[in-house]
Amino acid sequence: EVKLLESGGGLVQPGGSLRLSCAASGFTFADFYMSWIRQSPGKAPEWLSFIRNKANSYTTEYNPSVKGRFTISRDDTQNVLYLQMNTLRAEDTAIYYCAKHLKLGFDYWGQGVMVTVSS
Amino acid sequence: DVVMTQTPVSLSVSLGGQVSISCRSSQSLVHNNGNTYLSWYLQKPGQSPQLLIYKVSNRFSGISDRFSGSGSGTDFTLKISRVEPDDLGVYYCGQGTQYPFTFGSGTKLEIK
Repeated sequence: EVKLLESGGGLVQPGGSLRLSCAASGFTFADFYMSWIRQSPGKAPEWLSFIRNKANSYTTEYNPSVKGRFTISRDDTQNVLYLQMNTLRAEDTAIYYCAKHLKLGFDYWGQGVMVTVSS
Repeated sequence: DVVMTQTPVSLSVSLGGQVSISCRSSQSLVHNNGNTYLSWYLQKPGQSPQLLIYKVSNRFSGISDRFSGSGSGTDFTLKISRVEPDDLGVYYCGQGTQYPFTFGSGTKLEIK
């Protein structure tokens, strides 16, 4: 059974940083592209970033809305996906999901972790 | 960015009925490799989104054949037949053809 479990969320002040983690199990993590997606309450999901697998040199793509502030990375030895978030703003407040890729769609999503940016 | 426009915003259907949800993209979703990366997701209340359909018309593993996707270019449709109580929630289309990947604003399905 595929499982994705996010952690690392919480309350942070504007301008602060957080690192989210996503522990993956139930599939060969190293083989798959992975993404981070967020969703504000009552809004549609917003794709943030994805990272390719080793065969594709771990290259990354970002939404311009977070490029330069957020960094995606992965540890295939530990089956963990990361999202380093810097210079956080109030509008970054959302539920953050990690998701496994299937044909440039997302076939499995984690349960999400809440990030609140507020003073 | 590719804008995904879903209609209707909400709809109400009787159990056993059929509904269609439309998704239009502001640009063609045909990738340079010839594939069209249009997916459909259902977000049930209090849950994460779940994949229903990928690449326009391919049902994901375990998804009932009551769900079907169709379309091409910029116009796509999700049809749900023989609606069941477990089908309620918000349906989103999403595209993976162009960066940044984008989603529609959602269609809320309610059961009469």
